[in-house]
Amino acid sequence: EDKVVQSPLSLVVHEGDTVTLNCSYEVTNFRSLLWYKQEKKAPTFLFMLTSSGIEKKSGRLSSILDKKELFSILNITATQTGDSAVYLCASGAWGSGTYKYIFGTGTRLKVLA
Amino acid sequence: EAGVAQSPRYKIIEKRQSVAFWCNPISGHATLYWYQQILGQGPKLLIQFQNNGVVDDSQLPKDRFSAERLKGVDSTLKIQPAKLEDSAVYLCASSTRTSGSIYEQFFGPGTRLTVL
Repeated sequence: EDKVVQSPLSLVVHEGDTVTLNCSYEVTNFRSLLWYKQEKKAPTFLFMLTSSGIEKKSGRLSSILDKKELFSILNITATQTGDSAVYLCASGAWGSGTYKYIFGTGTRLKVLA
Repeated sequence: EAGVAQSPRYKIIEKRQSVAFWCNPISGHATLYWYQQILGQGPKLLIQFQNNGVVDDSQLPKDRFSAERLKGVDSTLKIQPAKLEDSAVYLCASSTRTSGSIYEQFFGPGTRLTVL
């Protein structure tokens, strides 16, 4: 059965710290790995990764995919209280003739002032 | 580009009542998804449409949930009758092909349902 596992489940840090969130996957016909930030209700898109070893960066956030070891990491440097959220990763894959997404349970990050 | 629209944003009902949610995907997005997200969990796919056809409804509790996407654009998700365990955020998403066989997915604001 396809699955996406995130770790840690929750994390508490202080402003200025650097955090690394992990996402491992076992997915048939894998095509992409997506990261989302979910603050209140709707997940907002952060990154989509399709190639191994190519870092994607947006401000203080960066992410990389390892398709050999089947994992991705999301790094946040110089964390701020506004980074407090649940971070979801999802795999995109083809299955039964359709493209679908499987989500992990998320990592809840709390950044203390 | 307008995002995925959903309504209502919040709904409180009593168990055994009915409720309906509406979603308007991003213009031109052929694929539409309804997810259920229970507190502390990741989104779980309920149903996926390609244009106006269902491509995956394997996790939809069909005895109480139904969904349709008339004309391949807007979609409605209905629960009848609701149970306490249906309390969750219902997320609608749509996707578009970015390159080759890769699709990118965008979410609406969600509807928070509370069943009392």
